[in-house]
Amino acid sequence: NAGVTQTPKFRVLKTGQSMTLLCAQDMNHEYMYWYRQDPGMGLRLIHYSVGEGTTAKGEVPDGYNVSRLKKQNFLLGLESAAPSQTSVYFCASSYSAGGTGELFFGEGSRLTVL
Amino acid sequence: SQKIEQNSEALNIQEGKTATLTCNYTNYSPAYLQWYRQDPGRGPVFLLLIRENEKEKRKERLKVTFDTTLKQSLFHITASQPADSATYLCAPGRNTGFQKLVFGTGTRLLVSP
Repeated sequence: NAGVTQTPKFRVLKTGQSMTLLCAQDMNHEYMYWYRQDPGMGLRLIHYSVGEGTTAKGEVPDGYNVSRLKKQNFLLGLESAAPSQTSVYFCASSYSAGGTGELFFGEGSRLTVL
Repeated sequence: SQKIEQNSEALNIQEGKTATLTCNYTNYSPAYLQWYRQDPGRGPVFLLLIRENEKEKRKERLKVTFDTTLKQSLFHITASQPADSATYLCAPGRNTGFQKLVFGTGTRLLVSP
């Protein structure tokens, strides 16, 4: 089982460029999430999805868009990258919506915006 | 706004000792609390969950307590080993119909031989 797979693992962008991070899970989980992790800030929720075709804003959604066209995939897009979006991005999925389901994380995608 | 606090300074202990990590929260009333382990360059991995009506939870060498009066959770690793060296994240959550965890910044544990 691959679990949660993120691509790419590393990316360097110039300010204003766009890109898409792909997250794929093979556990048939309904719920998927995108977090960013910055030093001293902890993991912050960007967007999440409670099922195929649905998305919702998290704590820090500005500058990002997401899509969940297929249950197993959750895409995070940056339309016009800014240096403030330099971060490590983690995708996660969970089975339970009841509040106690553990999150399964990918290995992270390190993004640098110059 | 809600605040989750974990010691930002690394905790250094010797192998065989018990490591105790603290998670404090304010302006928040979680129904449960999860603990995760994160190794450098890797994603967090779930370790334990404790609910508000549980005082203590154990799993092998791990023990978690949850004190809703003190608004605090303690995470213990007994008989610590160098392989336990990692960053440990706490994540309180509420049952809002959708799982919404709030992560602490994590505490780095270093276990020396």
